Amino acid sequence: KQEVTQIPAALSVPEGENLVLNCSFTDSAIYNLQWFRQDPGKGLTSLLLIQSSQREQTSGRLNASLDKSSGRSTLYIAASQPGDSATYLCAPHSGGGADGLTFGKGTHLIIQP
Amino acid sequence: DTAVSQTPKYLVTQMGNDKSIKCEQNLGHDTMYWYKQDSKKFLKIMFSYNNKELIINETVPNRFSPKSPDKAHLNLHINSLELGDSAVYFCASSQAGFGELFFGEGSRLTVL
Repeated sequence: KQEVTQIPAALSVPEGENLVLNCSFTDSAIYNLQWFRQDPGKGLTSLLLIQSSQREQTSGRLNASLDKSSGRSTLYIAASQPGDSATYLCAPHSGGGADGLTFGKGTHLIIQP
Repeated sequence: DTAVSQTPKYLVTQMGNDKSIKCEQNLGHDTMYWYKQDSKKFLKIMFSYNNKELIINETVPNRFSPKSPDKAHLNLHINSLELGDSAVYFCASSQAGFGELFFGEGSRLTVL
């Protein structure tokens, strides 16, 4: 059974800093891994999807890397802004067909203005 | 134009009642899901539907039943509601089960 751990659980930093959020998973036999953000009282917004054959994926100030063999992914946020404040969730997709994703508990990020 | 929409957004009801949450996606995806987010914010999959066929069914009580009238809709019916059913329920969809997952805004269910 896939288990996902996200470190740190919470992070508060001043605006402008570069950040790294960590995700580890126990079953390395994944098809892809997706990073989401969740704002309070809202649904999940997809940030990046990395296929198992890829090492990294970039979107704007966000860069996600994947080391499948070691069961790790990182989300790098450059030049953080107060609007980046949210909970960030990592979800590897393992198993066949429509098994769905396994979510970590997330990193609660606060960017201080 | 909302990709995955759920209704209602808020639902407050008494124990023992039966309720439904509706979900629709306009992305043309062939797989839809229901997730439950508990008070500790932990997300767990409940069901997924692929081409109107139930693919997985996690260990949820049989009081919960997904119903899919067509590929674009996956509704969640809950019978005999219990206090422990209070949570936020999210609908999601993807293409072919491996594609990028898109979520609805969630439906907050409160059982009194």
